[in-house]
Amino acid sequence: DAGVIQSPRHEVTEMGQEVTLRCKPISGHNSLFWYRQTMMRGLELLIYFNNNVPIDDSGMPEDRFSAKMPNASFSTLKIQPSEPRDSAVYFCASSLMAGVPYEQYFGPGTRLTVT
Amino acid sequence: SQQGEEDPQALSIQEGENATMNCSYKTSINNLQWYRQNSGRGLVHLILIRSNEREKHSGRLRVTLDTSKKSSSLLITASRAADTASYFCATGVTGGGNKLTFGTGTQLKVEL
Repeated sequence: DAGVIQSPRHEVTEMGQEVTLRCKPISGHNSLFWYRQTMMRGLELLIYFNNNVPIDDSGMPEDRFSAKMPNASFSTLKIQPSEPRDSAVYFCASSLMAGVPYEQYFGPGTRLTVT
Repeated sequence: SQQGEEDPQALSIQEGENATMNCSYKTSINNLQWYRQNSGRGLVHLILIRSNEREKHSGRLRVTLDTSKKSSSLLITASRAADTASYFCATGVTGGGNKLTFGTGTQLKVEL
C-alpha cells in the first residue's frame, strides 16, 4: 500500500484565496483525521470522520475551514478565505476503527504558506 | 487542547546512550501511543500500550505506563544517530473511537 497520500505537498497562496488540501487514506481504513501543526500550538486535531461521517469538528478554528469526505477514499480540507495565520503543516491520518485501540497512519503533510 | 505533556522538551545524548522521555496526561485513558516525527515528515507510530498494561517492548523501545500517576515513559536503548527526531505521546479514551490527543513532544538529538 502507498500509505496515506496528501496533495499538494507545498502550497503558497495569497491572503484571501481559497485553499483546498486533499487526502487519500489507506485502503480499508474507516477513520480519517485532519491535523494542523505549528510551532506555537503543536499538533491540533481539526476534525475526524468515521465511515465518511464527521464525528468531531470541535477543533476547526472557524467557519473559514470546512472538510468533506464524499467517499471512503478521498477527503478535502478547504480554507476560504485564507489568512496568514493559517500558515502551518496540515496532516491527514487514517486508522482502522475496529472496536479496539488502533494506531494512526500519517501522510507526509501539506506545508501551507499564506502571504 | 493538549492532553499530554512530554518531559524534557529537548534531549541531547551521545550515540550508544539510553534516552528516556516522559509523558504526563490529565484524564483517564484506555490507551497511550508513542509516535516519532523526523524533520519535515509525518508522524510514525512506534508502540501502543493499553490502560491495563504496565510495560511493553518493541526492539530497542521500552514503554511503561502508570495509570495511577497518569504518566508514561519511553526508553530508547543504545541510541543511534538515526533516532534523532521528535517523539510524541498520544492518548485515547473510551468511547473516543480512534481519536487521539497528542502531547507537546520531546526533541531528541543523538550525536555521533
